[in-house]
Amino acid sequence: AQSVTQLDSHVSVSEGTPVLLRCNYSSSYSPSLFWYVQHPNKGLQLLLKYTSAATLVKGINGFEAEFKKSETSFHLTKPSAHMSDAAEYFCVVSTYNQGGKLIFGQGTELSVKP
Amino acid sequence: KAGVTQTPRYLIKTRGQQVTLSCSPISGHRSVSWYQQTPGQGLQFLFEYFSETQRNKGNFPGRFSGRQFSNSRSEMNVSTLELGDSALYLCASAETYLYGYTFGSGTRLTVV
Repeated sequence: AQSVTQLDSHVSVSEGTPVLLRCNYSSSYSPSLFWYVQHPNKGLQLLLKYTSAATLVKGINGFEAEFKKSETSFHLTKPSAHMSDAAEYFCVVSTYNQGGKLIFGQGTELSVKP
Repeated sequence: KAGVTQTPRYLIKTRGQQVTLSCSPISGHRSVSWYQQTPGQGLQFLFEYFSETQRNKGNFPGRFSGRQFSNSRSEMNVSTLELGDSALYLCASAETYLYGYTFGSGTRLTVV
């Protein structure tokens, strides 16, 4: 069975400081992992994906994530937060035998203070 | 390239009625998935279709059903609506899951 745990329901940072959103996963097979962002009243946008290539994955808007198999983690980072980064972030897992079924974490709400 | 289009954007229905939601995927995408998003349960997988066949199904009652047409457009139907079915219903499409899914803006269903 697959599952995703986002370790923080809410993270608050100041503009210009680093962002760290934490995600642990559980999967019986080699997972594919994704981070999505959802701005208020909008759909979900794909930030980045890991599909068994390089373990450090770069995404859009300066975000990146590192796949650590030994720690079963896939944390999302950004060196410098911008006001426009305020949104809800979802860590997502899928596996090859259920590729079309995405398992979402509960989400982390990111607030950015001026 | 046009994105994933969901219609309608908003819907208000009465308990006991049924509803059909529509999703037009990105051209060339054959996989279409549906999700329910609520504040309490988060994002939950409903079902996935690929080339008109249901490949995966989530843990929802039989009142929730879907289908996919030969042009990859998909519909989901909810019969005998309950108050708890009020949610944002999201559709997503992909060439293959490895590329990641593109989501539509959703249909906000309110059951009164």
